[in-house]
Amino acid sequence: TQLLEQSPQFLSIQEGENLTVYCNSSSVFSSLQWYRQEPGEGPVLLVTVVTGGEVKKLKRLTFQFGDARKDSSLHITAAQPGDTGLYLCAGEMAGGGADGLTFGKGTHLIIQP
Amino acid sequence: DSGVTQTPKHLITATGQRVTLRCSPRSGDLSVYWYQQSLDQGLQFLIQYYNGEERAKGNILERFSAQQFPDLHSELNLSSLELGDSALYFCASSYRGKDTEAFFGQGTRLTVV
Repeated sequence: TQLLEQSPQFLSIQEGENLTVYCNSSSVFSSLQWYRQEPGEGPVLLVTVVTGGEVKKLKRLTFQFGDARKDSSLHITAAQPGDTGLYLCAGEMAGGGADGLTFGKGTHLIIQP
Repeated sequence: DSGVTQTPKHLITATGQRVTLRCSPRSGDLSVYWYQQSLDQGLQFLIQYYNGEERAKGNILERFSAQQFPDLHSELNLSSLELGDSALYFCASSYRGKDTEAFFGQGTRLTVV
């Protein structure tokens, strides 16, 4: 059973459209991070959210942490081909467990020109 | 450039063999994490070291071992390799033992033939 479920798994949309990807769990996380990974590269941290209900914006990207700290979403406005990549959410379990980050399987996003 | 260096970038070896993957963390980072990424399993946490000591263990097989040296670089040893061990292996580092703000290397792609 995957601790963090990401949806959709694959998404292909046209340039200029908006999209939202989701990261859900039945567990509570003390923090949740979003990474973007390009082929042949390691994941690059985009944002960390730590407070329930927190919203963070990074240019056209909006990240939200659920009130109960069990889920998160990433919304991209006016998607561009440069946004193409694998988007991964990762959570640090509440309670301070030293289990490393738990990753979702990711959303493969393709933005077509 | 994340500042985390992994070598080698690619490795091809035969079943039954043993290999060593190397990771140099960002300057000043005390914590090193190893992850395995395969197409079907996503990013799986293997093991974490903090300032030379093992901190946490994830889904690491008994055939795999790791260590962190006094200069804080780390090595991941994979032995009795099987075809299913073919994957991308990532190292990440962070300043403290917490995963927040972890930075990933570019990975080592291991192919077992």
